[in-house]
Order: sequence, then C-alpha cells, then structure tokens
Amino acid sequence: DTAVSQTPKYLVTQMGNDKSIKCEQNLGHDTMYWYKQDSKKFLKIMFSYNNKELIINETVPNRFSPKSPDKAHLNLHINSLELGDSAVYFCASSQRESYTEAFFGQGTRLTVV
Amino acid sequence: AQSVSQHNHHVILSEAASLELGCNYSYGGTVNLFWYVQYPGQHLQLLLKYFSGDPLVKGIKGFEAEFIKSKFSFNLRKPSVQWSDTAEYFCAVFTGGGNKLTFGTGTQLKVEL
Repeated sequence: DTAVSQTPKYLVTQMGNDKSIKCEQNLGHDTMYWYKQDSKKFLKIMFSYNNKELIINETVPNRFSPKSPDKAHLNLHINSLELGDSAVYFCASSQRESYTEAFFGQGTRLTVV
Repeated sequence: AQSVSQHNHHVILSEAASLELGCNYSYGGTVNLFWYVQYPGQHLQLLLKYFSGDPLVKGIKGFEAEFIKSKFSFNLRKPSVQWSDTAEYFCAVFTGGGNKLTFGTGTQLKVEL
C-alpha cells in the first residue's frame, strides 16, 4: 500500500483555469504538508496542517487554498492558474509529537501553458 | 528564522570516489536532522536521520552523517560512490514544534563511470 498518495501525477492546464490536487496518507499521521519544488529543485513549504487545523501558511498567494476534510487528507486547490505556478507539488505527512521523518508522495508535475 | 544551508550545489565525482556533502543549520534549540535523496523523476526518500544519541548515524545504501553540535553541521558522507548514487540530496531540519520541515537548497550529485 502506498503510504502517501497524490493524484494526479501529471497535470497540464491553461492559464486562468482552476485545478485541484488530492493527497491521502494511510500512516495515521496527524500532520500533513504541501511543498512546492521549483525548476531549480528548491523545496519550499507552502502549508502545514495538524489534525485538520492550518498551522503554517507560508507566503503563498491566496489563489492557493488547502482543504483538509480529515487528518488523512489534504487537498490543494489552485484558482486562476498562472505560468509561474508550474512546478512539482509534493504532499507529505509526519507525526508531529515524535518528530519522525516526513513521508512524501510521488509528486504532481503541474504545467501551466 | 531557522534556515538550512547546503554549500555544494553541484558535485561531480567518479565512481569509487569518496563523498562529503556539507549541511549547516541555524537553530538554537533541539533539532532533528535528516538527509533525503531524490532520484531523477522520483519523490523524496529518507537516507538517514538524527534525533539524539550517537552523533554518527548510518543510513541506507552505505551513507552516513555526523552531527557536530558546536558547528551546527550535519554532513553527509559515503566512502565510495556508485553511478546509481546520481541524485539530488537534501538536508532538512524539523522546527516549529514539529510543524515545519525546512529543507536546504539541495546538492545535485552526478557520478560518472
């Protein structure tokens, strides 16, 4: 079983569209994250949720809206997509109190044309 | 603000050469340190981690890292690299009460035959 799964793996869309990326973890972790990896491979945290509660919201345009229906899911919705949103988006999860490693999903390669 | 620095951005080695990748962090409190590897086109996988105890930690695939508290460093080493070690390597530290895993900028390692 995949520990952290995200869909879709690839997403090609036009500027101005709205799209969502889904993430699910079956590890029983209480903390989930979204990271953006740019073309230079730099990984930057976007959001962190702990037990469905938003904990960290880095400097991310409000076109990005995370939604956590339960602690096993953290979806990312992006409105009015721009060319600069093209990147690989990684979902991850960890167990906060024990500071254990974060497990990452396979990534979603978003290309905005 | 907490930060993680990786000084080597691109490293090219021949097979069987020894590897050392530098990582320094700036955070005054207790830290949990990690090295992740990202093979081409894949997601991040944990190589090794340090929580406490013996500052020399061993990970998968023959990698090891040494935590030197006085130098705020956690350098990654491997005595003899293989072509299959070609990948991007990321140092990371948990901060923010376990809510945030901060990554360094990554080091791209290329091993030539």
